[in-house]
Amino acid sequence: GDSVTQMEGPVTLSEEAFLTINCTYTATGYPSLFWYVQYPGEGLQLLLKATKADDKGSNKGFEATYRKETTSFHLEKGSVQVSDSAVYFCALGRGSTLGRLYFGRGTQLTVWP
Amino acid sequence: EPEVTQTPSHQVTQMGQEVILRCVPISNHLYFYWYRQILGQKVEFLVSFYNNEISEKSEIFDDQFSVERPDGSNFTLKIRSTKLEDSAMYFCASSGTGDGEQYFGPGTRLTVT
Repeated sequence: GDSVTQMEGPVTLSEEAFLTINCTYTATGYPSLFWYVQYPGEGLQLLLKATKADDKGSNKGFEATYRKETTSFHLEKGSVQVSDSAVYFCALGRGSTLGRLYFGRGTQLTVWP
Repeated sequence: EPEVTQTPSHQVTQMGQEVILRCVPISNHLYFYWYRQILGQKVEFLVSFYNNEISEKSEIFDDQFSVERPDGSNFTLKIRSTKLEDSAMYFCASSGTGDGEQYFGPGTRLTVT
């Protein structure tokens, strides 16, 4: 069945460091892939998405490329800020099932000044 | 900006008691969801709701669970007889398109003692 495996945290970085959070998926066909972010005390917010192979989603300096050959959707940012400290969730979805999402466990990111 | 709200933020209940978790989705959205996250585990899909009926449910969503949209604004999750293993963070989400772009509430932390 569909599933997502996400790099375990926590991840601790200094400001301006490069960030990678790994995400791989198992699915048949062509799912859509998402990264959600949860800031302290808030709900999950959609950060970026990609709906087909080789698509690159980007938002707020974050990027992720849908790689079907490696079944991956790794999240990257070239220079993190303290305000990026949050929990990041990789997710897989299919429009045909009215939007049910399969999530990874989440990765806690802490950025120090 | 419109947001999904959930009440209460934290609920403590005794095993065997009924609980109702409440959500107010974004007003013009048509698709509604409940997810949960047991501490340290993945965010898991429970149920999706569209056109006043359940469109999909997971194996977790057994006869102890029910959902309702009692009026035009609220969306509730009821657990009839809580078990210790129901302790988790419960997230409500809504979508205007059902294509995976979902808006999440901040969650209700349910503790069953």
